[in-house]
Amino acid sequence: NAGVTQTPKFQVLKTGQSMTLQCAQDMNHNSMYWYRQDPGMGLRLIYYSASEGTTDKGEVPNGYNVSRLNKREFSLRLESAAPSQTSVYFCASSEVRATEAFFGQGTRLTVV
Amino acid sequence: QKEVEQDPGPLSVPEGAIVSLNCTYSNSAFQYFMWYRQYSRKGPELLMYTYSSGNKEDGRFTAQVDKSSKYISLFIRDSQPSDSATYLCAMSARLGSARQLTFGSGTQLTVLP
Repeated sequence: NAGVTQTPKFQVLKTGQSMTLQCAQDMNHNSMYWYRQDPGMGLRLIYYSASEGTTDKGEVPNGYNVSRLNKREFSLRLESAAPSQTSVYFCASSEVRATEAFFGQGTRLTVV
Repeated sequence: QKEVEQDPGPLSVPEGAIVSLNCTYSNSAFQYFMWYRQYSRKGPELLMYTYSSGNKEDGRFTAQVDKSSKYISLFIRDSQPSDSATYLCAMSARLGSARQLTFGSGTQLTVLP
């Protein structure tokens, strides 16, 4: 009963390094999302994919790229990490017009 | 100004107290109103959602929406230590063919035994 699985759970990067956050869901959902959560800011949408083959920018897309690899997987890439990208990243999935989004456990990223 | 405003707390209450959590919003396009609960170092989980103005009850939890005032509330009766978590209000609008969730900043609640 995995739901939404994110890897890695923790990561420390040096400024300028790149990395990819992986997300997979086993609920056959069409829509997938990447959020970041910062103290006092709530969850902010970075990118989303309404269905396989499509991706769109959210509220805070700068510095990130995404790939919807297939229906199950949606990855988030940081090409050149910056300290401002230190955050907790959550992947979520839902049916296209569903109300409920299911979240992963999060990836805690620190950029030094 | 944020689209969704939520008092961040923290809020600390004794066990058995009634808890009131609130959010205000500015976007009239929001259609669904949700409350998520997030335990420490976990992802948010949907607690309740409502579509229209009025009240919705689920056990000890009551969600209230007043669209005319753009104000939503979550009431927790007979609060328990296991209710200690961060509560996030969220509001949903159509985003192309998907739904966009806009979250409040979250209220951290501690229920003391």
